[in-house]
Amino acid sequence: LAKTTQPISMDSYEGQEVNITCSHNNIATNDYITWYQQFPSQGPRFIIQGYKTKVTNEVASLFIPADRKSSTLSLPRVSLSDTAVYYCLVGDQGKDYGQNFVFGPGTRLSVLP
Amino acid sequence: GAGVSQTPSNKVTEKGKYVELRCDPISGHTALYWYRQSLGQGPEFLIYFQGTGAADDSGLPNDRFFAVRPEGSVSTLKIQRTERGDSAVYLCASSLTGSGGSDTQYFGPGTRLTVL
Repeated sequence: LAKTTQPISMDSYEGQEVNITCSHNNIATNDYITWYQQFPSQGPRFIIQGYKTKVTNEVASLFIPADRKSSTLSLPRVSLSDTAVYYCLVGDQGKDYGQNFVFGPGTRLSVLP
Repeated sequence: GAGVSQTPSNKVTEKGKYVELRCDPISGHTALYWYRQSLGQGPEFLIYFQGTGAADDSGLPNDRFFAVRPEGSVSTLKIQRTERGDSAVYLCASSLTGSGGSDTQYFGPGTRLTVL
């Protein structure tokens, strides 16, 4: 059973900022929040990971409120090549991995010209 | 450096046959994971190795599925008496330690298995 909830799909236009929010009400103390991106016919690719507050890298930003019950992936100025499925995962990989690190259906982002 | 590689990239077999899928993880990565993914779904966990041993095999659907990692590096996923429902993309991932929430998994391109 997935521990996260995220929108099934989103549409955006080139150049816009896209925010995808993931809910994880039952997040545990040791859990990290990780986002992956997957293009058709490829394996998922790590985008960003965080524990609390804000994390930024060259690709995206991740905003995590103080209660950590949700997180928002922010993609600045998307391009057509950002069209992909985005997965939010919450877990602590060491213990009971199969139950704790579950991919949901993800958010299918379509970037339109 | 080299990423996770999987062979073959595509495998077509007939119902009832035996297949082996191979995964070469990133060098030095202790943990290795197998998933399978059906069209339109997220990856579904199958098994996770720490070194040579299976730390969690709770995702293997039945006893037709088996995986090994004899030397703690390359892993083989074995499927006996394949069924049409086994058709999916089989993904392999590796990570440095396999423990702690911050350990990142790196995925291979997958093997597309088609059972006719």
